[in-house]
Amino acid sequence: SQQGEEDPQALSIQEGENATMNCSYKTSINNLQWYRQNSGRGLVHLILIRSNEREKHSGRLRVTLDTSKKSSSLLITASRAADTASYFCATDNTGANSKLTFGKGITLSVRP
Amino acid sequence: DAGITQSPRHKVTETGTPVTLRCHQTENHRYMYWYRQDPGHGLRLIHYSYGVKDTDKGEVSDGYSVSRSKTEDFLLTLESATSSQTSVYFCAISGQGDGYTFGSGTRLTVV
Repeated sequence: SQQGEEDPQALSIQEGENATMNCSYKTSINNLQWYRQNSGRGLVHLILIRSNEREKHSGRLRVTLDTSKKSSSLLITASRAADTASYFCATDNTGANSKLTFGKGITLSVRP
Repeated sequence: DAGITQSPRHKVTETGTPVTLRCHQTENHRYMYWYRQDPGHGLRLIHYSYGVKDTDKGEVSDGYSVSRSKTEDFLLTLESATSSQTSVYFCAISGQGDGYTFGSGTRLTVV
């Protein structure tokens, strides 16, 4: 069953605008990760935030994690047409072995 | 992607035939995973391995088996392919608690 649920399912913005994507999950986690997938390609790891962290930055990406609300958000600032892709959140749940559970993804379209 | 390759990239097979997909890594990572991706379902875990000869089931393991006889190779076998197993299959690798590196995927069509 899906652990993470992303919101919205689809997002269309103008180049230069910021894109905010949200993810909610149900059980305790070790970490939460965001991935990008371009059409017809494999997933690419963007950023990982651990359960004891609240915010993390990587270039134009900013991720927040609120474990009390079991939610995370991914902010892409100053979006570019090349950011057009599907974005997935994935949770690494507490347990002996690392394994990720993915949400269904968000389709982001950035209009030039 | 660097350090991980999947083969074949595309395959068409007939219902009832066995199929084996291969994942090969050069990163010496402990963990290897097989996921399938279907429209409306995102990625779902089929099986994973946490070491040589150590494997476990994921959420959609029925109809699939895996083997890992050496660190670098993780094989996924469909014993008797069905149309419901038409999908894109992704292999991934990771260290403990790290981000995953995904392969480019295998597009499998069962006719």
